[in-house]
Amino acid sequence: DSGVTQTPKHLITATGQRVTLRCSPRSGDLSVYWYQQSLDQGLQFLIQYYNGEERAKGNILERFSAQQFPDLHSELNLSSLELGDSALYFCASSASGHSYNEQFFGPGTRLTVL
Amino acid sequence: KNEVEQSPQNLTAQEGEFITINCSYSVGISALHWLQQHPGGGIVSLFMLSSGKKKHGRLIATINIQEKHSSLHITASHPRDSAVYICAVGSNFGNEKLTFGTGTRLTIIP
Repeated sequence: DSGVTQTPKHLITATGQRVTLRCSPRSGDLSVYWYQQSLDQGLQFLIQYYNGEERAKGNILERFSAQQFPDLHSELNLSSLELGDSALYFCASSASGHSYNEQFFGPGTRLTVL
Repeated sequence: KNEVEQSPQNLTAQEGEFITINCSYSVGISALHWLQQHPGGGIVSLFMLSSGKKKHGRLIATINIQEKHSSLHITASHPRDSAVYICAVGSNFGNEKLTFGTGTRLTIIP
């Protein structure tokens, strides 16, 4: 158990809908990362937050947004969902948010868009 | 060309064999990470390296900064080592994102 929690584990929804994925980092970790893993693209970095502020942005679509709250949990919002958004979404946390810090991964949320 | 290349893509071996998975990268890095993804999907961080060599149990990771290359070795492989092993690099340009290789699917046959 990494100490990072993600809810829900599975999510099935329809095209055009909006969903929210939630992540709670390990106790004491200030940084949260979001990753997308699809069958054809592998793991892709979406966005990183550190202590409530956005620190780095990757290949995140404009239909997607995220935030980190004062209690350090984070939410990833996906809207106007398309079939191609079906993927595993992972959250990870680290202590200081530098790329040379070990990251601890949550169990992931499997999103299926029908 | 991808920034992070792994080889082989797939590897099948007999239990007890010595396993080597390779990772080459083309950018300057602050650190290299080896991750293990189990068949159920969960991801575990195995090593974080910025130089030299690290060992944890039967797993050994090495990195050669000059050659931009890292290897992950598994000694006395066991069927429970069957997983996807992913190499990821952290940029040294102040952007804190990780860039991932496509992974190596390892299957150990009893």
